[in-house]
Amino acid sequence: ETGVTQSPTHLIKTRGQQVTLRCSSQSGHNTVSWYQQALGQGPQFIFQYYREEENGRGNFPPRFSGLQFPNYSSELNVNALELDDSALYLCASSWDANTEAFFGQGTRLTVV
Amino acid sequence: TQLLEQSPQFLSIQEGENLTVYCNSSSVFSSLQWYRQEPGEGPVLLVTVVTGGEVKKLKRLTFQFGDARKDSSLHITAAQPGDTGLYLCAGFFSGSARQLTFGSGTQLTVLP
Repeated sequence: ETGVTQSPTHLIKTRGQQVTLRCSSQSGHNTVSWYQQALGQGPQFIFQYYREEENGRGNFPPRFSGLQFPNYSSELNVNALELDDSALYLCASSWDANTEAFFGQGTRLTVV
Repeated sequence: TQLLEQSPQFLSIQEGENLTVYCNSSSVFSSLQWYRQEPGEGPVLLVTVVTGGEVKKLKRLTFQFGDARKDSSLHITAAQPGDTGLYLCAGFFSGSARQLTFGSGTQLTVLP
């Protein structure tokens, strides 16, 4: 077990709604990265937060946004949900921006 | 866009057989990681390789990093049903230190 916890584990939302996913990082880690994993694909980098600041972003639209809190936990917010947003959302924490990443179990989001 | 290609995409073998999974890119990695993922779970880190030509062993798994740091391989000796899972390579490319780029994965099934 990595010590990275995500909530909720499963979620069903309707197209157009907004969703917030949460991640508690491993003790001692100050960096959190979020990934989207579609079925049968490898994870795709959404963005990274380092010490409460966005520290890099992948090719995702602005309706994907995030936050990191002083305790280094993090949220991923997605507005105006689309059917293609259905995926496993993974959070990974690390002690620095480009060191080994340890993943949570993910949140399975289904948009109907 | 920096891409990581994994092959094969699917592999189904009998218990006791050996196998090799490949991960290739046209760009240089600053470091590369191998993960194993079970259905509905997050990826679990197996190993990190950093130095060109590096070889690491983890029980029956042998990981090799190419001399030019553009490719890597995972070799499993005497595969067991418990090795079944999605094997993912992921790398930090030189110049993109914050973004961990994943391959699309190799789905391994080991039949008893």
